[in-house]
Amino acid sequence: KAGVTQTPRYLIKTRGQQVTLSCSPISGHRSVSWYQQTPGQGLQFLFEYFSETQRNKGNFPGRFSGRQFSNSRSEMNVSTLELGDSALYLCASSFIPTTNTGELFFGEGSRLTVL
Amino acid sequence: SQKIEQNSEALNIQEGKTATLTCNYTNYSPAYLQWYRQDPGRGPVFLLLIRENEKEKRKERLKVTFDTTLKQSLFHITASQPADSATYLCALPVSGTYKYIFGTGTRLKVLA
Repeated sequence: KAGVTQTPRYLIKTRGQQVTLSCSPISGHRSVSWYQQTPGQGLQFLFEYFSETQRNKGNFPGRFSGRQFSNSRSEMNVSTLELGDSALYLCASSFIPTTNTGELFFGEGSRLTVL
Repeated sequence: SQKIEQNSEALNIQEGKTATLTCNYTNYSPAYLQWYRQDPGRGPVFLLLIRENEKEKRKERLKVTFDTTLKQSLFHITASQPADSATYLCALPVSGTYKYIFGTGTRLKVLA
């Protein structure tokens, strides 16, 4: 069974640009979450989607947005990039859709560097 | 606000010894707690889940305890091996939501 796939793995952008990251969950998983990981803050929750609906959003500015498609694939977008957005963006999928007791299966992440 | 604390200092131990990592939390009463392992440049990998009504959980050389009075979980790796070297994260669900709060992780290095 294929794991969670994130693309691209690495990318470099300049301030003011926008970026779109993609995540394909494990087949059959309908819940997809996104986390930002930085050395100082650790993993910070961005948002969670289930059946194309955003159920929770973290404390990030409106420049961070996401969506989920009918095949459960998800994308997140960051507009007007700032230096502080440099981080590892992790996507995680979960099989149990209606409770939050399921383990998270993480992808390898997308490493974003903003210059 | 809800907060999780893990020892941010790296833990170095000799091969064959037992490694013990700590996860403390405040302003929180989680129904369960999870532990993950993360290798450099990789995504975290789930290891164990322990519920509030369980005192201890074991899986092979791993053991997790959960003390809801102390608001603390201990993660033990017995007979540690160099391959166990990684960062270990604890995570707690935020009640009523689908999000988790993660600790910043403890980096473990097992010396041969």
